[in-house]
Amino acid sequence: AQSVTQLGSHVSVSEGALVLLRCNYSSSVPPYLFWYVQYPNQGLQLLLKYTTGATLVKGINGFEAEFKKSETSFHLTKPSAHMSDAAEYFCAVSDLVGGAQKLVFGQGTRLTINP
Amino acid sequence: GAGVSQSPSNKVTEKGKDVELRCDPISGHTALYWYRQSLGQGLEFLIYFQGNSAPDKSGLPSDRFSAERTGGSVSTLTIQRTQQEDSAVYLCASSPGLAGADTQYFGPGTRLTVL
Repeated sequence: AQSVTQLGSHVSVSEGALVLLRCNYSSSVPPYLFWYVQYPNQGLQLLLKYTTGATLVKGINGFEAEFKKSETSFHLTKPSAHMSDAAEYFCAVSDLVGGAQKLVFGQGTRLTINP
Repeated sequence: GAGVSQSPSNKVTEKGKDVELRCDPISGHTALYWYRQSLGQGLEFLIYFQGNSAPDKSGLPSDRFSAERTGGSVSTLTIQRTQQEDSAVYLCASSPGLAGADTQYFGPGTRLTVL
């Protein structure tokens, strides 16, 4: 079965600094990978996803992630943090079983931006 | 168009009572998912509906949990004889039901508190 590990439950960076949120996955088949963001008291919003093809995926709000099969990683980055990026971020792998595309989520990383 | 909506946004109930949570998916989406987000367990899959097919109930934690989807649109998640460990945010998501890495769109969730 698929699984996801997010390293660091809390990450704190200064405004304007690089954001790096780590995600490693385990999958027996070529994975579909996702990053979602959750703002306080809101649902999950898709940032980006990897299916096939180009391994560097660009998403909304200046985020991008690179699929590295050899490292089973899908780390999320943003060159320059903004205060509005403060939220919780979830990495997920799609477990396609019997037609159901169940998302298996990591435990989440709470990102804090310091002024 | 409108996104996924859920009601109520908050529900406080007493242990042993039954509760119903409602989800209105995006119009035209054939796939509908329920997830639960709790402090101890993170985000976990509960149940999946696709069109008129039999639902995938593999994630339901006990037989106190059930869900239905009427007319291929609105879904209701029912928890009978609620327990304190049922306290969580229940998230609904819908997707177009396409093959491959279908994007799931999440609602804002229902926060359930069992006293």
